Amino acid sequence: NAGVMQNPRHLVRRRGQEARLRCSPMKGHSHVYWYRQLPEEGLKFMVYLQKENIIDESGMPKERFSAEFPKEGPSILRIQQVVRGDSAAYFCASSPDRIAYEQYFGPGTRLTVT
Amino acid sequence: GQQLNQSPQSMFIQEGEDVSMNCTSSSIFNTWLWYKQDPGEGPVLLIALYKAGELTSNGRLTAQFGITRKDSFLNISASIPSDVGIYFCAADTGNQFYFGTGTSLTVIP
Repeated sequence: NAGVMQNPRHLVRRRGQEARLRCSPMKGHSHVYWYRQLPEEGLKFMVYLQKENIIDESGMPKERFSAEFPKEGPSILRIQQVVRGDSAAYFCASSPDRIAYEQYFGPGTRLTVT
Repeated sequence: GQQLNQSPQSMFIQEGEDVSMNCTSSSIFNTWLWYKQDPGEGPVLLIALYKAGELTSNGRLTAQFGITRKDSFLNISASIPSDVGIYFCAADTGNQFYFGTGTSLTVIP
């Protein structure tokens, strides 16, 4: 039973490029959450999605960031025109239901913007 | 937004010692969780607490959900080298999760 998968594990982008981060939830999980973690800090909630729906995006910057969780395939976090301040670790978590303790985290994608 | 104040920020202890860390907030939460994060990995859930006053153990780990629903603590007894890592508290209002800033634990053999 595979856990939450994220790819790539490391991503380097130049300023102005686009970054696409993928998250495949655990089998049977239809709820996905994205978090951002800056060095020496805790995780900051970005967005909560169910299949084909964005439930809560209150933690996501209004510009350049978008997320989707299509009917088929992984959830995608997309960052357009990246800037140095976007450099961080991005984690996704999944759960079978909207229940806190059932939230399982992936290994993260470390984005570096040069 | 909500803020979870986690302390201490870092701890250096001798192997075998007990460890205590806590999280406080000015807000009331429905659930408190404690995670451990190893370098380069995602957080792993250690303990989840669902009721005020609840005391739960997981091996050498014990955590409590404060009576006021605004705080929680985590204790680790008889620390071992593999306890090294960053420990995060997290809390859930029912609508959103919040994470503490973490406690970095170093265990000296």
